[in-house]
Amino acid sequence: DAGITQSPRHKVTETGTPVTLRCHQTENHRYMYWYRQDPGHGLRLIHYSYGVKDTDKGEVSDGYSVSRSKTEDFLLTLESATSSQTSVYFCAISEPRGRSPEAFFGQGTRLTVV
Amino acid sequence: AQSVTQLDSQVPVFEEAPVELRCNYSSSVSVYLFWYVQYPNQGLQLLLKYLSGSTLVESINGFEAEFNKSQTSFHLRKPSVHISDTAEYFCAVTGTGGGNKLTFGTGTQLKVEL
Repeated sequence: DAGITQSPRHKVTETGTPVTLRCHQTENHRYMYWYRQDPGHGLRLIHYSYGVKDTDKGEVSDGYSVSRSKTEDFLLTLESATSSQTSVYFCAISEPRGRSPEAFFGQGTRLTVV
Repeated sequence: AQSVTQLDSQVPVFEEAPVELRCNYSSSVSVYLFWYVQYPNQGLQLLLKYLSGSTLVESINGFEAEFNKSQTSFHLRKPSVHISDTAEYFCAVTGTGGGNKLTFGTGTQLKVEL
């Protein structure tokens, strides 16, 4: 398995509270991503990063922010959690074009907003 | 931008029978194509990939997929399934221009029965 650790693995939080999910990699991959998985939608891209302090929005970025201060860590923050953000969140890593472009995924974080 | 269609949300099949999981994509640029497998409560694992060259690609556990550019398809097949193949399968696409942002289909649940 690729060296990707997501924490926490499970979290229950209340509506309106901020929540931060962490992704840590030991593979030194330059690209990192946050996806959410919901039934009937597959996985959808929230935010991504092409390097330290280089982040951008994905398809479903409203209500989320990210930070990447070190190559190995990519943080996803829900600024004020809502019930619609109940989901399973996956972090992924990959390498730039010219190398093998496939993404490797973490084990996921199951977030429930009550 | 790309899109992926997996028309079959569930595919039941008996053990040792053949199976085909369908995937069609849409893209205005050249693409890389992937199949990922997800076992219950786990992350996504890469099953196989098409980057270039031979249009028929194979996995180590007997799955194969064929890239058909004219039909914009990347169907997954296995001639004889096993109980352990029960899982959800996701088709994904990314443009070859870099960034490796994946667009996923909605997934197909393969249920292998005795």
